[in-house]
Amino acid sequence: DTEVTQTPKHLVMGMTNKKSLKCEQHMGHRAMYWYKQKAKKPPELMFVYSYEKLSINESVPSRFSPECPNSSLLNLHLHALQPEDSALYLCASSQPGQLSGNTIYFGEGSWLTVV
Amino acid sequence: AQKVTQAQTEISVVEKEDVTLDCVYETRDTTYYLFWYKQPPSGELVFLIRRNSFDEQNEISGRYSWNFQKSTSSFNFTITASQVVDSAVYFCALRSGGNTGKLIFGQGTTLQVKP
Repeated sequence: DTEVTQTPKHLVMGMTNKKSLKCEQHMGHRAMYWYKQKAKKPPELMFVYSYEKLSINESVPSRFSPECPNSSLLNLHLHALQPEDSALYLCASSQPGQLSGNTIYFGEGSWLTVV
Repeated sequence: AQKVTQAQTEISVVEKEDVTLDCVYETRDTTYYLFWYKQPPSGELVFLIRRNSFDEQNEISGRYSWNFQKSTSSFNFTITASQVVDSAVYFCALRSGGNTGKLIFGQGTTLQVKP
């Protein structure tokens, strides 16, 4: 079983809604990630937190707002999304390090549908 | 530039057949790490193996084996005696310092194992 847990597993939201995706890891990792994956495509990196500080933002639109309350929790706040934002959102964690062979472990993902 | 190529988009085999998934990578870094992940329909990306650039020893884990050849920049994955439960999308990925440690994924290979 994965040690990176994500909630909810499925989320349907309207374009005017505000919702959040949540992620928790219990592996003592100090780097956490959000990835977005569209159907039949590989995951695309959105954000990286290292030691609870945002270290990488891959030019993600501001309607996605990440938050890292502590070393084991990661949230993704969603507001005014578009239908094209519908995708699988994957949370992941690893030990930090720029040149890092540390394995990135992924959660089960949250399937998001924007209507 | 960092790049991972999985030339096989889809592979279909009958149960008990052996199957090899190809992965070719490009990097100018001398230190790098290669990964394979499995993604079943449920969505979770399951870590299978990590290999660093200095370790060309092949690895076998049960029905899974990996062949790493730096001379051809390949890191191929073989499943012996495939089973229906092996049906999934398999991603090869590369991580090195030259890309701030980002995980660069191939496009994925969809493996269908028929009973």
